[in-house]
Amino acid sequence: AQSVTQLGSHVSVSEGALVLLRCNYSSSVPPYLFWYVQYPNQGLQLLLKYTSAATLVKGINGFEAEFKKSETSFHLTKPSAHMSDAAEYFCAVSGISGNNNDMRFGAGTRLTVKP
Amino acid sequence: DGGITQSPKYLFRKEGQNVTLSCEQNLNHDAMYWYRQDPGQGLRLIYYSQIVNDFQKGDIAEGYSVSREKKESFPLTVTSAQKNPTAFYLCASSMRTETQYFGPGTRLLVL
Repeated sequence: AQSVTQLGSHVSVSEGALVLLRCNYSSSVPPYLFWYVQYPNQGLQLLLKYTSAATLVKGINGFEAEFKKSETSFHLTKPSAHMSDAAEYFCAVSGISGNNNDMRFGAGTRLTVKP
Repeated sequence: DGGITQSPKYLFRKEGQNVTLSCEQNLNHDAMYWYRQDPGQGLRLIYYSQIVNDFQKGDIAEGYSVSREKKESFPLTVTSAQKNPTAFYLCASSMRTETQYFGPGTRLLVL
């Protein structure tokens, strides 16, 4: 069963525009949720994580995400896109199987920023 | 500097050959993981290890083997039984908490 769904494999925005990357999860227990960023031919870098504290989570590079239990969503946003934000973004969830080391990833969303 | 290192950055495999990818961490993390990344498919778990001398299969373990003789090291061997090994391989580690930290990856190509 799919645990994490990222809507839109490609998102394109203009520089300075709002970035919205969508992530929905399926879990019967409160999960841990993450966003990672990957630049070409590099590993994944943690942007932010939700671990049942505040529902609005602030991360690095001006990104933030809001946990909405009623919508089972954890969308990533940034008010103003920068050219350097162009990368692939992965939403991930852990704790679904009761094992916090069991992390499941979405298929990724490639963000393009147009000048 | 603390972190996770993977070597080599690029690796070429001939048909019928076993190759080993290296992963080392100096973060004193207990758990280590190997993922395979293919375009458009996200990351898939190959193997993980929560303590030394113990490891478990992930979703796509067939054709791969691992060892965990030291806390710092978790090498992955891609055996000749893996018929489609071309991919980007990522190693990660974590403490007993849930956050995983990733190495820079190794790209495996078949000659």
